[in-house]
Amino acid sequence: DIQMTQSPSTLSASVGDRVTITCRASQSISSWLAWYQQKPGKAPKLLIYKASSLESGVPSRFSGSGSGTEFTLTISSLQPDDFAAYYCQQYTNYTYSFGQGTKLEIK
Amino acid sequence: QVQLVQSGAEVKKPGSTVNVSCKASGGTFSSYAIKWVRQAPGQGLEWMGDFIPFFGTANYPQKFQGRVTITADESTSTAYMELSSLRSEDTAVYYCARGGGALEYWGQGTLVTVSS
Repeated sequence: DIQMTQSPSTLSASVGDRVTITCRASQSISSWLAWYQQKPGKAPKLLIYKASSLESGVPSRFSGSGSGTEFTLTISSLQPDDFAAYYCQQYTNYTYSFGQGTKLEIK
Repeated sequence: QVQLVQSGAEVKKPGSTVNVSCKASGGTFSSYAIKWVRQAPGQGLEWMGDFIPFFGTANYPQKFQGRVTITADESTSTAYMELSSLRSEDTAVYYCARGGGALEYWGQGTLVTVSS
């Protein structure tokens, strides 16, 4: 099984900050990585697919990068609506696994 | 626009079986896999398996093999997830989601509570 490890688990930041969340895979997943945002009581929302492709309708302040085993999600200038949990997910060889999540809190 | 609407909350006894449905509208039902993901209270997301209507095949991670069954009825564009031998650790919100790999569309979630 491919294990996904996110860091940090919690991130405190302010509106306007640039933040980066990292996701590492236990083996190479090429670019088969997605990022999701989840707010309390809601289903996850797809932000990024194939490591760096922005899902339609997602603000351009969100960006993804990486390949192989190391990936990052960057929010260029935090907005009040961005404080939420974020998850990475790999999808290779018909298996799917998620990182443990990063909670983005207001400082 | 694709919509996934799930059945309502369930309360189950340990050892029993739960069946959660997921009705799709918009798009072509058979074209994409329907995946099931669960989230225990305060925890992360966990993939439970998926079903590809076009091929009529299901795929499960080892952790859930033998305990989960995912099916679909193309005539009603509805997918089903059945989880048996329930235990307290299965208390979670269960989501259906559609996508080939990245999950573009999600149901609203179904809370399953396992309690004696």
